[in-house]
Amino acid sequence: GAGVSQTPSNKVTEKGKYVELRCDPISGHTALYWYRQSLGQGPEFLIYFQGTGAADDSGLPNDRFFAVRPEGSVSTLKIQRTERGDSAVYLCASSPGPTGGEAFFGQGTRLTVV
Amino acid sequence: TQLLEQSPQFLSIQEGENLTVYCNSSSVFSSLQWYRQEPGEGPVLLVTVVTGGEVKKLKRLTFQFGDARKDSSLHITAAQPGDTGLYLCAGAREGGSEKLVFGKGTKLTVNP
Repeated sequence: GAGVSQTPSNKVTEKGKYVELRCDPISGHTALYWYRQSLGQGPEFLIYFQGTGAADDSGLPNDRFFAVRPEGSVSTLKIQRTERGDSAVYLCASSPGPTGGEAFFGQGTRLTVV
Repeated sequence: TQLLEQSPQFLSIQEGENLTVYCNSSSVFSSLQWYRQEPGEGPVLLVTVVTGGEVKKLKRLTFQFGDARKDSSLHITAAQPGDTGLYLCAGAREGGSEKLVFGKGTKLTVNP
């Protein structure tokens, strides 16, 4: 596609449920990032993939969060036992390769845990 | 503690005025980016600066990277209502991974 695509655009879930958020990066981009943005804040780094492997997952807040990119393209962010504090906009970005952090962002998935 | 401090947090000005937004840190960055974000959208990259003292211009926007690569500024000349949005600075720390560290942003409103 022309840009980074994220689905769903909005997700409302009940506390304790499991959710999956999907990211389709720009075709050919080897690097993929997940960020989380809370209201009034800048994006907060979660995880970075180079190809299929997670090169840096230091931003994942706890073991309820997990992300995969099995074929080096589409990525899924998985959140188990969701909590109200997980409510935020989850942003995905991709870049052609290690480019000093420069990235192209999707429109985000707004997750609301009720 | 916020690694990148942006100021001001909010700015409301009239069309035609000039403005400067600042992004400061005590850390050195190998590169620094400025993004603009509109409600319901992801951040859109405006510019990347990599060399200390570097100045880049994008139409009415001028970006500067500090000599020590710890700070940056964005200056907008003759602001227009279409410039309204959230301006975010983000940096890749020197010696760090590819992850970007973001400031909280400056919410700019340009009134007609």
